Amino acid sequence: QITLKESGPTLVKPTQTLTLTCTFSGFSLYTSGVGVGWIRQPPGKALEWLALIYWNDDKRYSPSLKSRLTITKDTSKNQVVLTMTNMDPVDTATYYCAHKLWFGESDYGMDVWGQGTTVTVSS
Amino acid sequence: DIVMTQTPLSLSVTPGQPASISCKSSQSLLHSDGKTSLYWYLQKPGQSPQLLIYELSSRFSGVPDRFSGSGSGTDFTLKISRVEAEDVGVYYCMQGLHHAWTFGQGTKVEIK
Repeated sequence: QITLKESGPTLVKPTQTLTLTCTFSGFSLYTSGVGVGWIRQPPGKALEWLALIYWNDDKRYSPSLKSRLTITKDTSKNQVVLTMTNMDPVDTATYYCAHKLWFGESDYGMDVWGQGTTVTVSS
Repeated sequence: DIVMTQTPLSLSVTPGQPASISCKSSQSLLHSDGKTSLYWYLQKPGQSPQLLIYELSSRFSGVPDRFSGSGSGTDFTLKISRVEAEDVGVYYCMQGLHHAWTFGQGTKVEIK
């Protein structure tokens, strides 16, 4: 059974750097075709993809946020970390991590999501 | 960025009746391998999104067969053949071409 759980601060001040950790079980980032992505959702608004890291350390970022984001993995710890610099109140959102699977001839997309963690940006 | 546009933004459906949601992309989602990089998610109230459909029309494990995905190129549709009370929530389409994912605005489905 695949599970993911996000953790990090619930409140950050404007201009600070946010660091979020996704801790997962039921799969390994040593496995070909596997990735972990980050998606956020401001209150009452739509989903926005942020970043994704693959088993081979290939990293992808949202073009509009690329300059502020860094995604890394610690395969031995089953963790993926997302950092976002220069936080602003508009970055207030629930942040989700999700398992991504590309297996055989099928790309399942982000098929299992964590419960999300709420981050508020305020002074 | 590829822009995804959903219509309608809200839908009220009588249980047992069909429902349909449209999603249009700003460019073709047909990959060079012949697959279409289009996904559908349902976010039930207070929950994380759950995958319904992957690669245009394949139902994810455990998804009831009343859900179906179709379309081609830039025009896509999610159909629910007979809406049930448990189908309420916000439906999102998502594209994944070129390893850069974007979501539609969401369509809120409620029961009459």
